[in-house]
Order: sequence, then C-alpha cells, then structure tokens
Amino acid sequence: NAGVTQTPKFQVLKTGQSMTLQCAQDMNHEYMSWYRQDPGMGLRLIHYSVGAGITDQGEVPNGYNVSRSTTEDFPLRLLSAAPSQTSVYFCASSYTDSGANVLTFGAGSRLTVL
Amino acid sequence: GQNIDQPTEMTATEGAIVQINCTYQTSGFNGLFWYQQHAGEAPTFLSYNVLDGLEEKGRFSSFLSRSKGYSYLLLKELQMKDSASYLCAVTDSNYQLIWGAGTKLIIKP
Repeated sequence: NAGVTQTPKFQVLKTGQSMTLQCAQDMNHEYMSWYRQDPGMGLRLIHYSVGAGITDQGEVPNGYNVSRSTTEDFPLRLLSAAPSQTSVYFCASSYTDSGANVLTFGAGSRLTVL
Repeated sequence: GQNIDQPTEMTATEGAIVQINCTYQTSGFNGLFWYQQHAGEAPTFLSYNVLDGLEEKGRFSSFLSRSKGYSYLLLKELQMKDSASYLCAVTDSNYQLIWGAGTKLIIKP
C-alpha cells in the first residue's frame, strides 16, 4: 500500500498565482484533512472531510478551497497565493474522525510564495 | 481558549532516559496522542492514551493524568535515531485534534 500520497513535494509560486496540492490515499479512509505546519506553532487544520461529498472548514480555512468527489482524493486549492501561505502542508487520513483514530500523514508539500 | 504546552527543545545523551512533558487545557477530552516527526518528514504515530496511567511500548512509554491535564512521553535507552520532534495532540469534546508546537529532542553521543 502506498498510504497517503502528496504532490508536489516542493513548489514556488508568485503572489496571486493559483495551484492545487494533490492528496490521494489507498486505505479506504473516510476521514481526510489538510494541515499547515509553521515554525514554532502546532499543526493547524485547514479543511477536512468525513466522507465523499462532505467537506468542512478547520481552524485556518481562508484562502483555501477543497473538494472530495471520491473517497481516495482530497485536493487543496490555493486560489490566489499570498506570502502568508508559505508553509509546509500535510494531508492526513484516518478511518473515521472519532477520538481514537490514528492519522496517517503524507510526506508533505513545501510551498514558498514570493 | 485551548492550549497545549510542551518544552521547545531538550537535549539528552545517547543511552540515557528522557521525559518530555505535555500539559493541556482543552474543552473536553477524548484522548491524547504522541507523534514523532523527523526533520523534513511527516509525523508518525507513537502512542495514544485515553485512560489515566502508563502505556508501555518497547523503549517508549506514555503517561496520562486527566485530572491534572498532563501527559509525558518517556524514552529509554536513547539512540541517535531518536533525534526528532515529538508532538503532543489532544482530541477535544468535538473530536477535533489540538496540537502542541512540538518538542525538538537532540541526542548527543
């Protein structure tokens, strides 16, 4: 099993450009999520999904869109990149969103916005 | 507000024991996780506590006291490969994960 696959690993954007971070999992997990990780801060939840067709906002959703058309895929879209979105992004999934479920993380995508 | 506190950085010697503390203040509690994250890599699951007490898993143990809002991760027989950040996370009453900023553990020979 590949687990959680994220692409690209690295990306440099100019302010105002748009892009999509791809995330796919092959574990039949219902719950998928996107986090950003910044120095000195805990992981912050951007958006999450508890199943195909269902998405919801996390702690820091502004500037990001998501969709969940299939169980496997959960892309994150930056519509108009800003320097404040420079960060490392992680996609994570688990069987459900209940308290005991362990998250499996993708390898991360390092985004720099100039 | 919700808060998870852990030391920013700790240093220990190869072969020794180190204890990484985590204190939390959250709206409700549905479990506490510890994850390990090597530099430039993804977090990986280490342990989960939902009841008070000690959970042992090889060289790693995790302790929880719900009444004190406190947990620790104990690493024994430290190896150089244990150099990493250790993330504490709590599931609140809405089953949302609240993450600490992580403790960077440096192991010296």
